[in-house]
Amino acid sequence: EAGVAQSPRYKIIEKRQSVAFWCNPISGHATLYWYQQILGQGPKLLIQFQNNGVVDDSQLPKDRFSAERLKGVDSTLKIQPAKLEDSAVYLCASRTVRNTIYFGEGSWLTVV
Amino acid sequence: AQSVTQLDSQVPVFEEAPVELRCNYSSSVSVYLFWYVQYPNQGLQLLLKYLSGSTLVKGINGFEAEFNKSQTSFHLRKPSVHISDTAEYFCAADFGSRLTFGEGTQLTVNP
Repeated sequence: EAGVAQSPRYKIIEKRQSVAFWCNPISGHATLYWYQQILGQGPKLLIQFQNNGVVDDSQLPKDRFSAERLKGVDSTLKIQPAKLEDSAVYLCASRTVRNTIYFGEGSWLTVV
Repeated sequence: AQSVTQLDSQVPVFEEAPVELRCNYSSSVSVYLFWYVQYPNQGLQLLLKYLSGSTLVKGINGFEAEFNKSQTSFHLRKPSVHISDTAEYFCAADFGSRLTFGEGTQLTVNP
């Protein structure tokens, strides 16, 4: 069974530029998450989708972050404009019907 | 408030020694509990999970954890660690579809 796929794995951008990350969850998983993990900290939820609807985006900085999940499968997370403090790993995860959450390898963002 | 606390930020041990990584959670509702491991420059890999049933759960790589409802704990244990177990370990709790993580415990296994 294929895992959660993310791309790109690594991205370096200058502050005020924009960046987009893509996630393809495990086939059939209706629930998809984006987490932000800053170096030395635990992951923090940014947004949760159930199919193509947003369930929880209370911790998403909406002035600069946006996410969508068209057709309830793939998802894209965008940051515009990026700030230095956005340097982090962005983890995508999907949830099985048995309530287990699997993570992708992460997209590592450095803002300079 | 619902939260997860990992009591040790760093745990150094010698190879073949036993180890326990401590995790406590705070919740007024039932929860699902997980341990994930993160190797350098990699994503999170599921070690084990507690959803219901037996309070002692076994996971991959020889790890096990025990759910203690009265103490709201979910400590991770391994009887004999290897150098390859060096990694960051995260405890997480599902408080009704939102997975909340602790701040992590860096396990370093020394020869």
